[in-house]
Amino acid sequence: KNQVEQSPQSLIILEGKNCTLQCNYTVSPFSNLRWYKQDTGRGPVSLTIMTFSENTKSNGRYTATLDADTKQSSLHITASQLSDSASYICVVTLYGGSQGNLIFGKGTKLSVKP
Amino acid sequence: NAGVMQNPRHLVRRRGQEARLRCSPMKGHSHVYWYRQLPEEGLKFMVYLQKENIIDESGMPKERFSAEFPKEGPSILRIQQVVRGDSAAYFCASSPNRIFTGTARNTEAFFGQGTRLTVV
Repeated sequence: KNQVEQSPQSLIILEGKNCTLQCNYTVSPFSNLRWYKQDTGRGPVSLTIMTFSENTKSNGRYTATLDADTKQSSLHITASQLSDSASYICVVTLYGGSQGNLIFGKGTKLSVKP
Repeated sequence: NAGVMQNPRHLVRRRGQEARLRCSPMKGHSHVYWYRQLPEEGLKFMVYLQKENIIDESGMPKERFSAEFPKEGPSILRIQQVVRGDSAAYFCASSPNRIFTGTARNTEAFFGQGTRLTVV
């Protein structure tokens, strides 16, 4: 069964600290993996997109890694800010086929405290 | 260039009523996608439309749900005879090209802020 599992479910950190969010998937055949940030009450906003040949991709203080062999990805946030408080969603795409082949994780809810 | 606009932001309906959710894609985008998000759950694909055509409705419930994207005007997601289980956040996304396919892997989709439907 094609699934995307994220951990931890929620995380609280102090402002200025770093954190790493995990994503494990069992999606096959794999096309790409995306990380989204979803603020409370708003739609998801894309942070990074990676294909199987890309190991790492950065977007400012956000760095995503991908290990296509172990089917794992991580999102590392450096020097966290209060505005980083949000849900972070990992999305894996099946290669080809319909648009329904987009598998969303349930997200990790990050709270950054002052 | 305004982003994807969804309205209303919040919608309350009594059981048995109809709910109409609207989505205006970004300017220049002709591809629209609808997703549903239940509390504590990930987004689930419902339907993909391209101007006047339904391309993929594999995620839509077979009854009571319908979607359209007319030549003029916003895309509409229509839920007839709503039930409590329809309560959820409904998100619309749009893109200039078909996304998530093998030949357009990095085509981005932009999401609206969602419509939160509450059925009482």
